[in-house]
Amino acid sequence: ILNVEQSPQSLHVQEGDSTNFTCSFPSSNFYALHWYRWETAKSPEALFVMTLNGDEKKKGRISATLNTKEGYSYLYIKGSQPEDSATYLCAFTGTASKLTFGTGTRLQVTL
Amino acid sequence: SAVISQKPSRDICQRGTSLTIQCQVDSQVTMMFWYRQQPGQSLTLIATANQGSEATYESGFVIDKFPISRPNLTFSTLTVSNMSPEDSSIYLCSVIVGTGWGETQYFGPGTRLLVL
Repeated sequence: ILNVEQSPQSLHVQEGDSTNFTCSFPSSNFYALHWYRWETAKSPEALFVMTLNGDEKKKGRISATLNTKEGYSYLYIKGSQPEDSATYLCAFTGTASKLTFGTGTRLQVTL
Repeated sequence: SAVISQKPSRDICQRGTSLTIQCQVDSQVTMMFWYRQQPGQSLTLIATANQGSEATYESGFVIDKFPISRPNLTFSTLTVSNMSPEDSSIYLCSVIVGTGWGETQYFGPGTRLLVL
């Protein structure tokens, strides 16, 4: 059974704060690591697909890093806004295997 | 990319009944899947919906409980049979546009099911 863990489970920040979450995953047989943002009553939205150790990706105020040797990825949000409030999911896929999701980090950004 | 719609968006059902969820994609896709998320749990793959053949189920999920149809490359249904309160979950359809697990996976908005 593959273990994908995310921390913290939930987070409450003020508008303008920067924040980050962690996703840890098995370091063997790595193929790809996915990040999603899931707002209530909407479809999970793909943020990043990361495949290379040391990879760093950015989309607006959101960025992510990847360390496949030690099995972790960080997601950063710079200057959080209320519209960033959502659950952030990571998913690991090993070689030729399905996506295994973490339980997510629930972010709430208040004014 | 892919745009996915699901029907119904939510439902409240009585135990012992069955519910069929529909998934429609705006383009032809090879890889199509059904997931569920039980309260407090992670998204879990139920099965891969195969066009023209029986679905491939993950460990812990069986065809009698979750029959799946996939008549073509843009449509699939998942039935939750003989429901119990433990089936209360969000059920999501998803697709990969491409051929591999390293490709982006797109999701529908989900069907929120409450079983009383």
